[in-house]
Amino acid sequence: DAKTTQPNSMESNEEEPVHLPCNHSTISGTDYIHWYRQLPSQGPEYVIHGLTSNVNNRMASLAIAEDRKSSTLILHRATLRDAAVYYCILRDSEGGGADGLTFGKGTHLIIQP
Amino acid sequence: EAGVAQSPRYKIIEKRQSVAFWCNPISGHATLYWYQQILGQGPKLLIQFQNNGVVDDSQLPKDRFSAERLKGVDSTLKIQPAKLEDSAVYLCASGGPPYNEQFFGPGTRLTVL
Repeated sequence: DAKTTQPNSMESNEEEPVHLPCNHSTISGTDYIHWYRQLPSQGPEYVIHGLTSNVNNRMASLAIAEDRKSSTLILHRATLRDAAVYYCILRDSEGGGADGLTFGKGTHLIIQP
Repeated sequence: EAGVAQSPRYKIIEKRQSVAFWCNPISGHATLYWYQQILGQGPKLLIQFQNNGVVDDSQLPKDRFSAERLKGVDSTLKIQPAKLEDSAVYLCASGGPPYNEQFFGPGTRLTVL
């Protein structure tokens, strides 16, 4: 799987937007960009994924650069509950075959009240 | 909708003992994954099942780890004999249509003394 690079940690204030960057300069044409997060003492949780176009769901937005070599996860209004480790992961398909996730170290997001 | 269930939640054993973990995936999910998460690291895939067949076990230490998914539903992961370095959280995840996004259980925290 292609590699991703994320900052080790980021800090933000409650009720403000948060932009979490991810670099994936060796992404291939069939790689989807997935984001998962892991709250303390819990298993990871799916957040969002996309291929080329920007994506929105109830949890977050995903902005993908035109060359697909980077992406940004956007939390529009952070709450204390959003404090977690955020993982940016490239995945070669949307289903079928060997598609286990390759987790890096992720970004530890700290939310200040 | 019920989530992924795992048991036990915690287990403490001595090195060279055996241990088994159980996972019940989300109903209808054909794909099941086991991950190992060592403290301070992201989860690492151990094995992926599609129904009751193994899709990927390339990172499973087969000299001591084994896993099965009889009848394509529940799964068990066994370690025999355990080593100190097996101390970790063992996470089970299942994936289903349409995007095979993975839903994780709470994990089993294993301590090997």
